[in-house]
Amino acid sequence: DAGVTQSPTHLIKTRGQQVTLRCSPISGHKSVSWYQQVLGQGPQFIFQYYEKEERGRGNFPDRFSARQFPNYSSELNVNALLLGDSALYLCASSLGGQILLTQYFGPGTRLTVL
Amino acid sequence: AQTVTQSQPEMSVQEAETVTLSCTYDTSESDYYLFWYKQPPSRQMILVIRQEAYKQQNATENRFSVNFQKAAKSFSLKISDSQLGDAAMYFCASLNAGGTSYGKLTFGQGTILTVHP
Repeated sequence: DAGVTQSPTHLIKTRGQQVTLRCSPISGHKSVSWYQQVLGQGPQFIFQYYEKEERGRGNFPDRFSARQFPNYSSELNVNALLLGDSALYLCASSLGGQILLTQYFGPGTRLTVL
Repeated sequence: AQTVTQSQPEMSVQEAETVTLSCTYDTSESDYYLFWYKQPPSRQMILVIRQEAYKQQNATENRFSVNFQKAAKSFSLKISDSQLGDAAMYFCASLNAGGTSYGKLTFGQGTILTVHP
């Protein structure tokens, strides 16, 4: 069975640009979460979506937005990129709902902002 | 607010020996889950083991086991018969099953594990 997939693998952008990251969850999983991992640190929660609705948002500016599609895939958008947005962006999927909350991670997208 | 603390930035172990990684957490929720994830240099975050807070029995997955001390809010990971492939960054994480931070994983700072042949 395919795991969580993310695209692209690597991305290089310049300050002020906009970027879109994509995630496809494990088949049957209805919840997708996004995390930002700065080098040498633990991941920080950005968003969680379940059944196409936002269920949670972390302490990130409004430049960060996301959505979930009817097929449960998701996109993370970051506008007006800053140097500090350089990080590994991880997507995780779970079955969702009250039970079975375990999250399984994709390989991540490495974003470099120059 | 949830917090997770890993006080060991780095640990090392000889192949075939046993090592224990420490983790403490804090949460105001009564229903939560605890996890250990492994992140090799390839960067894929891999689930190692999960513990439900309502279960008194410590979780075990092959060579990996936890020591869950709920009153002390401690959740350590023991790796037995360490293998070279165990070398990675290990993250402890908590997840609330209720409340305003429902479903959000909170991670510790990580522990780099080195396995010596």
